[in-house]
Amino acid sequence: DIHMTQSPSSLSASVGDRVTITCRASQSISSYLNWYQQKPGMAPKFLIHTASTLQSGVPSRFSGGGFGTDFTLTISSLQPEDSATYYCQQSYSNPVTFGGGTKVEI
Amino acid sequence: QVQLVESGGGLVKPGGSLRLSCAASGFTFSDYSMSWIRQAPGKGLEWLSYISSTGGTMFYGASVKGRFTISRDNAKNSLFLQMNSLRTEDTAVYYCATSLDWLLPFDYWGQGTLVTVSS
Repeated sequence: DIHMTQSPSSLSASVGDRVTITCRASQSISSYLNWYQQKPGMAPKFLIHTASTLQSGVPSRFSGGGFGTDFTLTISSLQPEDSATYYCQQSYSNPVTFGGGTKVEI
Repeated sequence: QVQLVESGGGLVKPGGSLRLSCAASGFTFSDYSMSWIRQAPGKGLEWLSYISSTGGTMFYGASVKGRFTISRDNAKNSLFLQMNSLRTEDTAVYYCATSLDWLLPFDYWGQGTLVTVSS
């Protein structure tokens, strides 16, 4: 199985800050990396697919990058509504696996 | 709009069984593959099982293979998860989620149903 490692596990930042979350795969996954946002008590929401393509309706302050084993999710100007836990997920091979999550606090 | 509503969760004793359902609306259910994904209390996400749009292909994660069975009824826009031989470590919120095909992102998720396995 491909193991996904996210860092940091949590962070605290201020409104307007630039925030970057890292996700590392245990082997190359090309660009088959997706990001999800989960707010407390709610289901995850699909944000980004194939490492860098924003899902329709996702604010442009979100961006993704990376290839192979190292990926990033960046929020260019943190907003209060971005307080959530973010998960990466590889869709390169069976079984699909998720990172452990990064909790972003404002 | 796309809506997925899970039901069937509850309290069950170790070794017991439970059947989860996911009612879909707002999209052409038979065009989409479906998966079950769970989240233990305070933990991350774990993919459990996948079924193709026609129901002809199914995959399972190692932790549930041989104990859980995924199925669907396209005529009733419904997805199911039969869970047998339940263990305390199966305690989690169970989500159903759509994807256009295997190894594609989970684009829509239900709100989840809580399964508690405890004596």
